[in-house]
Amino acid sequence: GIQVEQSPPDLILQEGANSTLRCNFSDSVNNLQWFHQNPWGQLINLFYIPSGTKQNGRLSATTVATERYSLLYISSSQTTDSGVYFCAGHGSSNTGKLIFGQGTTLQVKP
Amino acid sequence: NAGVTQTPKFRILKIGQSMTLQCTQDMNHNYMYWYRQDPGMGLKLIYYSVGAGITDKGEVPNGYNVSRSTTEDFPLRLELAAPSQTSVYFCASTLYSNQPQHFGDGTRLSIL
Repeated sequence: GIQVEQSPPDLILQEGANSTLRCNFSDSVNNLQWFHQNPWGQLINLFYIPSGTKQNGRLSATTVATERYSLLYISSSQTTDSGVYFCAGHGSSNTGKLIFGQGTTLQVKP
Repeated sequence: NAGVTQTPKFRILKIGQSMTLQCTQDMNHNYMYWYRQDPGMGLKLIYYSVGAGITDKGEVPNGYNVSRSTTEDFPLRLELAAPSQTSVYFCASTLYSNQPQHFGDGTRLSIL
């Protein structure tokens, strides 16, 4: 079946540090998305990135679909970056059903 | 523009009770989805709809029912609530299946 795996599962950073989160997926996963779930449980859509690189402020993401992975970069981390980061992708059908990874829990300490 | 609105935000049910989780979107999106998130886990798809009048099962549909009588609304029905259905429920929508999904704020449901 479709597999989406994230690493590391947990990450603790000092404020100002940089980090890279990884998402590996099986060859049947398309249209990668990255989400941030804040401490209040809200899911925020960070990137829709089927391939290539996108940047939004201190965050950027790169997906290499041919090698079946995506990376989320967080630079100059802030305490507000804390939460859980999920990647998710669609299967091969045209229904848009998302398959989520288990998430990376990030804690940024002041 | 409210986006995806879920009600209620919190609910406690007794075992065997029934309830409906409401989801409404005002973006005229064709596709709508219900996911559940168990503690420490990613989201799993319960049911989805590709348009009014069309629904289908996702990965974990047992114990749930849905309907899609209008484009805007996609309610999720729990019949005979069980402790295993304690979870956070998210509704999402998108215009086309290959576009980003927009999520509601979730409904936190406890079955005691």
